Amino acid sequence: EAQVTQNPRYLITVTGKKLTVTCSQNMNHEYMSWYRQDPGLGLRQIYYSMNVEVTDKGDVPEGYKVSRKEKRNFPLILESPSPNQTSLYFCASSPTQGAGELFFGEGSRLTVL
Amino acid sequence: SQKIEQNSEALNIQEGKTATLTCNYTNYSPAYLQWYRQDPGRGPVFLLLIRENEKEKRKERLKVTFDTTLKQSLFHITASQPADSATYLCALGGSGGYQKVTFGTGTKLQVIP
Repeated sequence: EAQVTQNPRYLITVTGKKLTVTCSQNMNHEYMSWYRQDPGLGLRQIYYSMNVEVTDKGDVPEGYKVSRKEKRNFPLILESPSPNQTSLYFCASSPTQGAGELFFGEGSRLTVL
Repeated sequence: SQKIEQNSEALNIQEGKTATLTCNYTNYSPAYLQWYRQDPGRGPVFLLLIRENEKEKRKERLKVTFDTTLKQSLFHITASQPADSATYLCALGGSGGYQKVTFGTGTKLQVIP
């Protein structure tokens, strides 16, 4: 089944404890992206990747890192999480470098205490 | 500043009627516009894409219009059903980079039996 898989789905952590949210897609998509969704603010793009080893900042990249070493994986790294990073995170992929439909994962709900 | 506006208030309509959702934007020059459906606790699901040189797109009971002069897209669901109840997101792409996709905050649609 074609899908985007995120892990963990739910996580409660404490300020400053490094964490990684994994994202994997099995559709051989070139484009991958991370979004965070907050009430009243909608989905905001954190980082995106056009292809392996090619990443770029979205609208809200501060406090996040990404890497794209393999085509199927695009992990989101929070080096030193803070409470304002408490949010619902979505990973998405697309078969085209932009103007194509985005396939979203089920989301990762992160709480930073 | 750039802004994407969708009705923040919920839209309630009677089953069988046509639902019309609005997406207005300012200070964007999108190359394309997409509509997504999002159910509570789930990732958005792609519905339709319309490009800047297209006026209208249809898919089954769905119709999207795109007016780059008015800077507006309308999303119609004909013969609405309770199963259509969800939040609908519009997303602009290609402004500030073809791969950059920016989402509105969404409109919640409730179809009443």
